[in-house]
Amino acid sequence: EAQVTQNPRYLITVTGKKLTVTCSQNMNHEYMSWYRQDPGLGLRQIYYSMNVEVTDKGDVPEGYKVSRKEKRNFPLILESPSPNQTSLYFCASSFRRGEGYTFGSGTRLTVV
Amino acid sequence: GENVEQHPSTLSVQEGDSAVIKCTYSDSASNYFPWYKQELGKRPQLIIDIRSNVGEKKDQRIAVTLNKTAKHFSLHITETQPEDSAVYFCAASGGNQFYFGTGTSLTVIP
Repeated sequence: EAQVTQNPRYLITVTGKKLTVTCSQNMNHEYMSWYRQDPGLGLRQIYYSMNVEVTDKGDVPEGYKVSRKEKRNFPLILESPSPNQTSLYFCASSFRRGEGYTFGSGTRLTVV
Repeated sequence: GENVEQHPSTLSVQEGDSAVIKCTYSDSASNYFPWYKQELGKRPQLIIDIRSNVGEKKDQRIAVTLNKTAKHFSLHITETQPEDSAVYFCAASGGNQFYFGTGTSLTVIP
C-alpha cells in the first residue's frame, strides 16, 4: 500500500530533551516536507526536501533540523524542544514539487 | 512569500444545499492550487486540484474555479451530505513551497 508513515503518533517530552520524529514513504517520491498544524494558523511549512541531500527552510524552521540521506526517509529533529513546539506535526510527500501531497498520519507532540 | 487567505472560517449548511469556500493568493507566480479535506483526527487528503492554465475543474459533486486575474479560487460542493463535514484547506504553490490557507470548518446539518 502506498503510504507515508510517521512515528510516533503521540509523544510527550520534557523541555530540552532531544527527539526525532521519523517519516518514511514507499512511493519513490522526490519531494518531502514537514508541517506543523496549530489551531487558527492552518498548516505551516517547517522544512522541505527536493531530493536526497537537498533540503531548505520553510516558513517556521527555527528550532528544527531535518536530513535527507535516503530518498524514502525524512526525519524531523528537535535538538532542544520547547513548549512552543507543542503541536500536531505532519510529514507529506509528492512525486515532485508542484504536485499534490500524500500526508502521514500525524504526530501529536507535547513539550512540558 | 505567498499569502493565502481563506474564507469563511466556519460554514454550516443544510444537507442537500451547496457550500462555497473562497481563497485568495498574493503571488502571481503561483500556478498550482490544491484543496484538502481533513476529517476530525485524520490526516489531510487531497480532494481536487487545479492548475493555472485551467479555469474550472469538476469531480462529481466537487468543483474548483480559478480566476488568475483576480488571484482567487473557490471550492464548490453541491448536494452536500453529512460525510462532507470536515475542515477544508486551500493551498497555493508556484515554486518549491506550498502555502496553506487557515481552513474552513464545514458542518452539514442533516
